[in-house]
Amino acid sequence: NAGVTQTPKFQVLKTGQSMTLQCAQDMNHEYMSWYRQDPGMGLRLIHYSVGAGITDQGEVPNGYNVSRSTTEDFPLRLLSAAPSQTSVYFCASNNRGANTEAFFGQGTRLTVV
Amino acid sequence: KQEVTQIPAALSVPEGENLVLNCSFTDSAIYNLQWFRQDPGKGLTSLLLIQSSQREQTSGRLNASLDKSSGRSTLYIAASQPGDSATYLCAALPNTGGFKTIFGAGTRLFVKA
Repeated sequence: NAGVTQTPKFQVLKTGQSMTLQCAQDMNHEYMSWYRQDPGMGLRLIHYSVGAGITDQGEVPNGYNVSRSTTEDFPLRLLSAAPSQTSVYFCASNNRGANTEAFFGQGTRLTVV
Repeated sequence: KQEVTQIPAALSVPEGENLVLNCSFTDSAIYNLQWFRQDPGKGLTSLLLIQSSQREQTSGRLNASLDKSSGRSTLYIAASQPGDSATYLCAALPNTGGFKTIFGAGTRLFVKA
């Protein structure tokens, strides 16, 4: 049972570089979300999607882009990495409807130097 | 704007003790309240989800309650075990403004053998 798979697990970027964090789920879930987790701050929502072709901004969207061309995949793009984007990034999915539990990936630890 | 607060930030108890973790939220207009467990370096695992129309949910030694009028939820852990050591996070989904879950910063629990 793969669930939610995130790649890579670790990444070091130089300031100004761009990259894509991958997220894939095999549960046919409609809802997918990206969060960042920083020490002492809990998780903050970056972007989310309620279905293929539909995305919306969360609490901290600046510097990040998303797209949802398929139900399974929800990649997060860093356009021009900054040290402030050093964080642990989590992808999550929920089945149809908001009143369903969220399933999380194992996270991507990103360092921007 | 919804804010979610968890107190205490850290808690250390001897094995076998019953304990309560607290979560408070500022806006009672929520769709649901969810409790998660996070082990070091891992993703989040959903423990319990309480819909806005419910008062509590139970799973094994865990019981979560919801009081929307006072803006509080508690997670009760009975007969704590060293394996319960982890960070526990609560998250509220507002019922307006899209699928934007708001997380607390978590309570780090250590159960001593």
